[in-house]
Amino acid sequence: QKEVEQDPGPLSVPEGAIVSLNCTYSNSAFQYFMWYRQYSRKGPELLMYTYSSGNKEDGRFTAQVDKSSKYISLFIRDSQPSDSATYLCAISKNAGNMLTFGGGTRLMVKP
Amino acid sequence: KAGVTQTPRYLIKTRGQQVTLSCSPISGHRSVSWYQQTPGQGLQFLFEYFSETQRNKGNFPGRFSGRQFSNSRSEMNVSTLELGDSALYLCASSLAGGYYEQYFGPGTRLTVT
Repeated sequence: QKEVEQDPGPLSVPEGAIVSLNCTYSNSAFQYFMWYRQYSRKGPELLMYTYSSGNKEDGRFTAQVDKSSKYISLFIRDSQPSDSATYLCAISKNAGNMLTFGGGTRLMVKP
Repeated sequence: KAGVTQTPRYLIKTRGQQVTLSCSPISGHRSVSWYQQTPGQGLQFLFEYFSETQRNKGNFPGRFSGRQFSNSRSEMNVSTLELGDSALYLCASSLAGGYYEQYFGPGTRLTVT
């Protein structure tokens, strides 16, 4: 079993839709949670990171962490065609830079 | 501010050869991490360097090694290349330990034939 599970998609939505992306993890030792966006032929770009359970909002993006269920989510409001990319969740156990990534979900936003 | 740069961007090698990849972190960043990305395994952590010392290491064989220089630039080396080493190798930099904002470079696409 992988430490982080993520539905690979692809997920196809119409422009303006609310998108929900999710990951589950198996080890309660993970404490830090991040979401990255990766466009084709580019490196991952950090969207959001959080430490505690609850919600964190940044513009059209909301990250949600439920440590009791070991479940993390990223919501994208008013999705745009430019949001079409692969979204990767990443988690870390301690105050270092060793990240464990989910497999990524490919999102397609159609005009 | 310039981002993370990686050279070369593309590389083709044959089995048994060795390869060295280079990463220049964002100015002022002292931590450099390396990741391997493949379609089958996704993004996997290789190792992290901070102040010229390897601080963390992933589950990769000893053929994968790295180093960091005093100017924080980093190199990774893969010896005795295998077909399965074909991947996108990504470098990420961050200010220091305890900072979680890692900034990735565009990667080096290595093809082993």
